[in-house]
Amino acid sequence: DAMVIQNPRYQVTQFGKPVTLSCSQTLNHNVMYWYQQKSSQAPKLLFHYYDKDFNNEADTPDNFQSRRPNTSFCFLDIRSPGLGDAAMYLCATSREGGYGYTFGSGTRLTVV
Amino acid sequence: AQKITQTQPGMFVQEKEAVTLDCTYDTSDQSYGLFWYKQPSSGEMIFLIYQGSYDEQNATEGRYSLNFQKARKSANLVISASQLGDSAMYFCAMREEGGSSASKIIFGSGTRLSIRP
Repeated sequence: DAMVIQNPRYQVTQFGKPVTLSCSQTLNHNVMYWYQQKSSQAPKLLFHYYDKDFNNEADTPDNFQSRRPNTSFCFLDIRSPGLGDAAMYLCATSREGGYGYTFGSGTRLTVV
Repeated sequence: AQKITQTQPGMFVQEKEAVTLDCTYDTSDQSYGLFWYKQPSSGEMIFLIYQGSYDEQNATEGRYSLNFQKARKSANLVISASQLGDSAMYFCAMREEGGSSASKIIFGSGTRLSIRP
């Protein structure tokens, strides 16, 4: 089945130690999104890639970066995780012009 | 700026009863899309139903229906014959057109629905 896969499902990282979360898709969608969702809050968009074009939200901290080496993969890099970065990170894809968004199952990040 | 408002932080409903989750939105766009997502405790975001702003009929998907009242800018989700497995967080969301970049989804604050046996 075509899908969006996030690895790992759970990630524990040390305060200040760089961490990378990954997302892959078999849908051939041209747009990929990263959302941050803190406990009991709504998902908040960090950035998205429209093909190779990177689009950062205005309030996304510089500590968060992203890479999209090809259509299928997108990575979220947190350069120096703080305790406040502990959250669920959701990857989603869409095909521009269509209305559907497909979400991965998320990566729950813990910072110790 | 576009905004989604969900005024019910939590709801308790008896199994087999119908339930309505409220959602209002604010946008100046003529073309937009409205979604409802279900998020169980495991964390994945499950698509339930979609309503386009130009759709004249209310969307339905199985036990889910969307009560779309465009003039009032409301898009309430109705779940008929609720089941224990419906217990989850429910998010109303709107597709925000991106102009030169891709469209984006913005989410409301969510409603936690608990079904009582």
